[in-house]
Amino acid sequence: TQLLEQSPQFLSIQEGENLTVYCNSSSVFSSLQWYRQEPGEGPVLLVTVVTGGEVKKLKRLTFQFGDARKDSSLHITAAQPGDTGLYLCAGAQGGTSYGKLTFGQGTILTVHP
Amino acid sequence: DARVTQTPRHKVTEMGQEVTMRCQPILGHNTVFWYRQTMMQGLELLAYFRNRAPLDDSGMPKDRFSAEMPDATLATLKIQPSEPRDSAVYFCASGFVRDRSYEQYFGPGTRLTVT
Repeated sequence: TQLLEQSPQFLSIQEGENLTVYCNSSSVFSSLQWYRQEPGEGPVLLVTVVTGGEVKKLKRLTFQFGDARKDSSLHITAAQPGDTGLYLCAGAQGGTSYGKLTFGQGTILTVHP
Repeated sequence: DARVTQTPRHKVTEMGQEVTMRCQPILGHNTVFWYRQTMMQGLELLAYFRNRAPLDDSGMPKDRFSAEMPDATLATLKIQPSEPRDSAVYFCASGFVRDRSYEQYFGPGTRLTVT
């Protein structure tokens, strides 16, 4: 079973601060996705990274896929209260399980005004 | 703006009753997933279908849960009989291939409470 460990589990910061969330595994994933979930809603896909070492930027969010495709990070610059939510990383498996995602436990981010 | 829809949004039922949750995937998506989310366990995959065929239901308690896709516009998840430990939010997601990965689009979920 492929597992994804996210850290930290909880993050409470002030508006304007920077933060990084980590997603680690001992297994290799064919690709990795980051989702954000707000209370009462389903997770919403933010980004997919597929190549080892890949970096993608989405406004103030920067996503990186590790060279060995076993880990990933999400960095938020100058966090805003609107960034508050549950952030989930998910790794995609290949082979016969192609398309199946393994989710991390999530990081609950709270940004205080 | 295409979305996955789920009904009902909330369900409160008594232990032992049958519960049926429905999902309409996004038109054109060929894969449908059922997940369960709790504070303790996080997001767990229960079952998934590709082109309406069940591919993996190893995450489901087989004795009480069943998942079906009677047609391309409807997926169902049934619990019979329901138990208090089934209380959770159940999400349906549909997806398609982009690059080397599937992208999944989640519905708003069904919050189930079994008393």
